[in-house]
Amino acid sequence: AQKITQTQPGMFVQEKEAVTLDCTYDTSDPSYGLFWYKQPSSGEMIFLIYQGSYDQQNATEGRYSLNFQKARKSANLVISASQLGDSAMYFCAMREGIEGNTGFQKLVFGTGTRLLVSP
Amino acid sequence: GAVVSQHPSWVICKSGTSVKIECRSLDFQATTMFWYRQFPKQSLMLMATSNEGSKATYEQGVEKDKFLINHASLTLSTLTVTSAHPEDSSFYICSAPTSARTYEQYFGPGTRLTVT
Repeated sequence: AQKITQTQPGMFVQEKEAVTLDCTYDTSDPSYGLFWYKQPSSGEMIFLIYQGSYDQQNATEGRYSLNFQKARKSANLVISASQLGDSAMYFCAMREGIEGNTGFQKLVFGTGTRLLVSP
Repeated sequence: GAVVSQHPSWVICKSGTSVKIECRSLDFQATTMFWYRQFPKQSLMLMATSNEGSKATYEQGVEKDKFLINHASLTLSTLTVTSAHPEDSSFYICSAPTSARTYEQYFGPGTRLTVT
């Protein structure tokens, strides 16, 4: 079974509007973490935001916020006030387990969503 | 922030030759590094975990004799693609956690390998 599912292969948004990129996950481990990365055409992976499974509040980092709905196993990324530079691939990823355990820092990635911001 | 470099950024080689890709943590020590492969328009797939001072741990389906990993020091891991074939052409990315007790990972800029 897919551990990370991103159902939107592509999304379009106009500049200055908000956009939500969907991510659902599957794990039986009570301790896990969810990440969002941005990959522009240059290929580098840029860390955007992190949400731990025990975090009480939704993570926010500037224009990025993570809508974490634990019961639904979803971790959607919300980008507010889109900019042209936001056009890129966006990947949701998950790590499982607790620190110190083998594989704690291994990441499993979703298939990604290509976001295109238009003027 | 922490920086991870990769060298080379791109390489073209002929079928049957071997290629070495370096991953360096520039301002922190990394006892663990990860190697991912990304085919065009696809996601990143973890290939192996590189452990300083011990053998690498490979994911299921990854040939350890083909993808040799050596974690020579606390700042350097190398991936050698041996007897490369065109199907090995891909984007290879390494990452390194800044410490064993953090979720933070920093990715290298990637190496694009083309095998002709």
